Amino acid sequence: GAVVSQHPSRVICKSGTSVKIECRSLDFQATTMFWYRQFPKQSLMLMATSNEGSKATYEQGVEKDKFLINHASLTLSTLTVTSAHPEDSSFYICSAPSRALSTEAFFGQGTRLTVV
Amino acid sequence: GENVEQHPSTLSVQEGDSAVIKCTYSDSASNYFPWYKQELGKRPQLIIDIRSNVGEKKDQRIAVTLNKTAKHFSLHITETQPEDSAVYFCAATLDTGRRALTFGSGTRLQVQP
Repeated sequence: GAVVSQHPSRVICKSGTSVKIECRSLDFQATTMFWYRQFPKQSLMLMATSNEGSKATYEQGVEKDKFLINHASLTLSTLTVTSAHPEDSSFYICSAPSRALSTEAFFGQGTRLTVV
Repeated sequence: GENVEQHPSTLSVQEGDSAVIKCTYSDSASNYFPWYKQELGKRPQLIIDIRSNVGEKKDQRIAVTLNKTAKHFSLHITETQPEDSAVYFCAATLDTGRRALTFGSGTRLQVQP
């Protein structure tokens, strides 16, 4: 099946610093990638939709200036958490549909972000 | 937008018993309903999915049923095993490739040996 690779798997950063998370589609082209956030013992909540060559679309309540998304190529989308605060600590996970006309999702491994 | 409700939030069964998890969705346009199993700290794993043109799908011990009229879909696990213990999420979306999944709140399944 299609493979989506996400890095890093774990990161600890200090408050006020920025962290970049990468999501790559290894064997297919992903014109769209979705970024989710999952707080402990909660569900996955969509943060934003990343579209290759255009601006990302953000869900209500997600600050676009804080969570910067770049989708510069058909195989790479990045999420940068800027000026991180402890409340940003969460599990961030990307996913991409493997085919243009299907939403069957392939997930990255996820990134556990801890802000201290 | 879509809203998915899932229950129960926790479910404890004895090994060998069946487990049923139920979800409802709000958007009648949704036509793709996957179920995921997630272990702690791991990515969700697709265990079964169903599209709106069928009412039931089965894969060994796992089955999913869909009632489009009532906007309900359910996951059935038979002959449960301890390794089935995990958190299960239902989801719904319009299958266009450009719509994200809307997840239910999750069910923590505990299978007691």
